[in-house]
Amino acid sequence: DAGVIQSPRHEVTEMGQEVTLRCKPISGHNSLFWYRQTMMRGLELLIYFNNNVPIDDSGMPEDRFSAKMPNASFSTLKIQPSEPRDSAVYFCASRSSDGEQYFGPGTRLTVT
Amino acid sequence: TQLLEQSPQFLSIQEGENLTVYCNSSSVFSSLQWYRQEPGEGPVLLVTVVTGGEVKKLKRLTFQFGDARKDSSLHITAAQPGDTGLYLCAVRNNAGNMLTFGGGTRLMVKP
Repeated sequence: DAGVIQSPRHEVTEMGQEVTLRCKPISGHNSLFWYRQTMMRGLELLIYFNNNVPIDDSGMPEDRFSAKMPNASFSTLKIQPSEPRDSAVYFCASRSSDGEQYFGPGTRLTVT
Repeated sequence: TQLLEQSPQFLSIQEGENLTVYCNSSSVFSSLQWYRQEPGEGPVLLVTVVTGGEVKKLKRLTFQFGDARKDSSLHITAAQPGDTGLYLCAVRNNAGNMLTFGGGTRLMVKP
């Protein structure tokens, strides 16, 4: 099994640019989670999808952040426009209906 | 105030030493999980504890859930450099579908 796949692994962009992070969950998993990890705030849940439908987006910091899951095998997290304070590692995780969460390797985002 | 407080935040020890890290809360939980995150990777689940007072062992790692199910500890015996990483505790929400993580303990084991 390939595990959760995230791309890119590293992204460096300038303030004001649009950033799109991508995630392919484990095949057969019906829940998908986006997290952000920083030294100051730790690992925080941003949004949670179940069967491709957003269930809880209360962790999304502001309107600059949006997430989509057009099908069971793909999700995106978009930041537009990006700001330096968005610099963090962004993780995607997936879970089967009765299983545990499996995390991807993360995307390290640096906004200059 | 975080739901889960982990201590210490940082720990640097020599290979072969023993250590204990803690995860504390004022809330009661039906279960608690421990994850290890290595540099450049995502967290990986180590164990889930469910019953108050429960002790689980995973090789040199011993996990304990407090009797009142408000806290947990992780003890590592004879630490190895491969144990280096960020140790996170986490709990599920009431619906069981989302996790909240503690701030983590960053462990470095020097050879």
